[in-house]
Amino acid sequence: GPKVLQIPSHQIIDMGQMVTLNCDPVSNHLYFYWYKQILGQQMEFLVNFYNGKVMEKSKLFKDQFSVERPDGSYFTLKIQPTALEDSAVYFCASSSHRGNQDTQYFGPGTRLLVL
Amino acid sequence: AQKVTQTQTSISVVEKTTVTMDCVYETRDSSYFLFWYKQTASGEIVFLIRQDSYKKENATVGHYSLNFQKPKSSIGLIITATQIEDSAVYFCAMREGAEGADRLTFGKGTQLIIQP
Repeated sequence: GPKVLQIPSHQIIDMGQMVTLNCDPVSNHLYFYWYKQILGQQMEFLVNFYNGKVMEKSKLFKDQFSVERPDGSYFTLKIQPTALEDSAVYFCASSSHRGNQDTQYFGPGTRLLVL
Repeated sequence: AQKVTQTQTSISVVEKTTVTMDCVYETRDSSYFLFWYKQTASGEIVFLIRQDSYKKENATVGHYSLNFQKPKSSIGLIITATQIEDSAVYFCAMREGAEGADRLTFGKGTQLIIQP
């Protein structure tokens, strides 16, 4: 199936530092998403993004979080500053249409550990 | 608010048999979309199959099929002729059909163990 790539696969940082998670979505996809999965639990929606704008965000998408996709490059999730509770696996997803037109495909995740 | 419930925490079956995993959902929307994904031991999330609420026929893809019971808000996943490599955690997810409501809501997952 369609492949979404994520860089890095693992990241360990100290609390208070900034981290940027990178996502390379499927090439013809226009809609991008971030989900968070705490160990042993289900994925939870953070944010979706289209045409340079955040379309919808959840309560988990704190003020310290931001997303962007400058000039068609990586779709990024930035956390600044990080907190201990940000430790989780972050999954990027992309789809080619909104609504009922298409399925979201997921990357392999970035495992973030905040110390 | 939408909600997805998977009550089976773990299922273990013998290879080559058929297994059914349950999922029930709550939504106020008349139009919605249901998905099953699996998460492998490496953490990779793989899309398996989907059911659009307006479709009456149960979806089938390869050895995956769905048992969509709309009056019961139920979307079970059936895997026939299971293989060792089907061992994974299976997540049910729902997306509501309202404009702008593109988020997926996931259940807690069912761990499937296929034994030789």
